[in-house]
Amino acid sequence: DGGITQSPKYLFRKEGQNVTLSCEQNLNHDAMYWYRQDPGQGLRLIYYSQIVNDFQKGDIAEGYSVSREKKESFPLTVTSAQKNPTAFYLCASSIWGWSSGDLSYTQYFGPGTRLTVL
Amino acid sequence: GENVEQHPSTLSVQEGDSAVIKCTYSDSASNYFPWYKQELGKRPQLIIDIRSNVGEKKDQRIAVTLNKTAKHFSLHITETQPEDSAVYFCAAPFTGANSKLTFGKGITLSVRP
Repeated sequence: DGGITQSPKYLFRKEGQNVTLSCEQNLNHDAMYWYRQDPGQGLRLIYYSQIVNDFQKGDIAEGYSVSREKKESFPLTVTSAQKNPTAFYLCASSIWGWSSGDLSYTQYFGPGTRLTVL
Repeated sequence: GENVEQHPSTLSVQEGDSAVIKCTYSDSASNYFPWYKQELGKRPQLIIDIRSNVGEKKDQRIAVTLNKTAKHFSLHITETQPEDSAVYFCAAPFTGANSKLTFGKGITLSVRP
């Protein structure tokens, strides 16, 4: 997981502003994911991408947008439509396919970005 | 989709005792079951995983057991230490067209010195 980075570590946003969270990986992973973590809520999937120029909505995609123009990068934009954006955001990546004869699901996480709305 | 549940939400043990955390899943076709450990303010990290073709896997003080019939798997930590205090997440893949992991809500383990 040392090969996946997120920036910034802390981010403050005023209400009504869009903000973009960065996620970069050098693990040559095809798949990338964005999760939101709130206290007592576990990890909830926002968006994921299996391949460049393609992405899928997760369980809580409303108010968020993503792009996947490069294999290494999967930025997340928190829009003003997201009514309660204060949370800890985690990016992850994984192989999408087969590893040692078995389908590989193992995900490696970045250090996270803590977003606070002022 | 997959439904993954963890109970209880918190667990407290005395240092040196064993801890067992159980996770249930709903998709009988799931074939991969990881456990992640997240220390306060840090990223989740994979600590052990198991595939459905084995019933148990060990790595030093931690082990995972799988009961496919009952659709549950458990994390076992022996000789607990204060540094084992963290949130532990289990996960299972939804084996439909878009395979991805579904995570449980996590269990907070506290090891009392």
